[in-house]
Amino acid sequence: LAKTTQPISMDSYEGQEVNITCSHNNIATNDYITWYQQFPSQGPRFIIQGYKTKVTNEVASLFIPADRKSSTLSLPRVSLSDTAVYYCLVGNSGTYKYIFGTGTRLKVLA
Amino acid sequence: EAQVTQNPRYLITVTGKKLTVTCSQNMNHEYMSWYRQDPGLGLRQIYYSMNVEVTDKGDVPEGYKVSRKEKRNFPLILESPSPNQTSLYFCASSLVVGGYTEAFFGQGTRLTVV
Repeated sequence: LAKTTQPISMDSYEGQEVNITCSHNNIATNDYITWYQQFPSQGPRFIIQGYKTKVTNEVASLFIPADRKSSTLSLPRVSLSDTAVYYCLVGNSGTYKYIFGTGTRLKVLA
Repeated sequence: EAQVTQNPRYLITVTGKKLTVTCSQNMNHEYMSWYRQDPGLGLRQIYYSMNVEVTDKGDVPEGYKVSRKEKRNFPLILESPSPNQTSLYFCASSLVVGGYTEAFFGQGTRLTVV
């Protein structure tokens, strides 16, 4: 299983773009990269998933370079309600042991 | 509404008294799993199930049991709870289609063992 490394915490201000990078040097050829968001005392919520290049949805963008050894979750114009913990996971349909790690605690300031 | 339902949401129990936390999903998902979350340790997988009657250990299975007799239900059983099992527990389910594995999580069960 590919191990992921993320910053422990980040601070940002409302209206700014936030980029959270995840390192996954041992990613396998058939692995996908998935990001989840978790608010206090709630279960994680799926944000976005990608395999290569760039993926965008209504919430975020995911940038994956050609070597796929890292990925960056981009949150455009964050608000106070984006304060949460963000987890990067790497795996595929054959990966049943999901490793969440400790995630990145994002704090958005007014 | 698609959801994963855990019960109870809160539970205080005494050491050694067997308990079961139920988990049910209405999305016909094959894959279900249990996690515990502790401060500073993130989410750790306890057990998972790939389908009915197929279960396997996650990273922290000691002290826990699970069963998967029906596709929709995946109860977590603590035969003899101990204080170190005080934690926030989450159940999750997902539909595995190729590389796409969006997991849906329950609301959580906060367990205190005294």
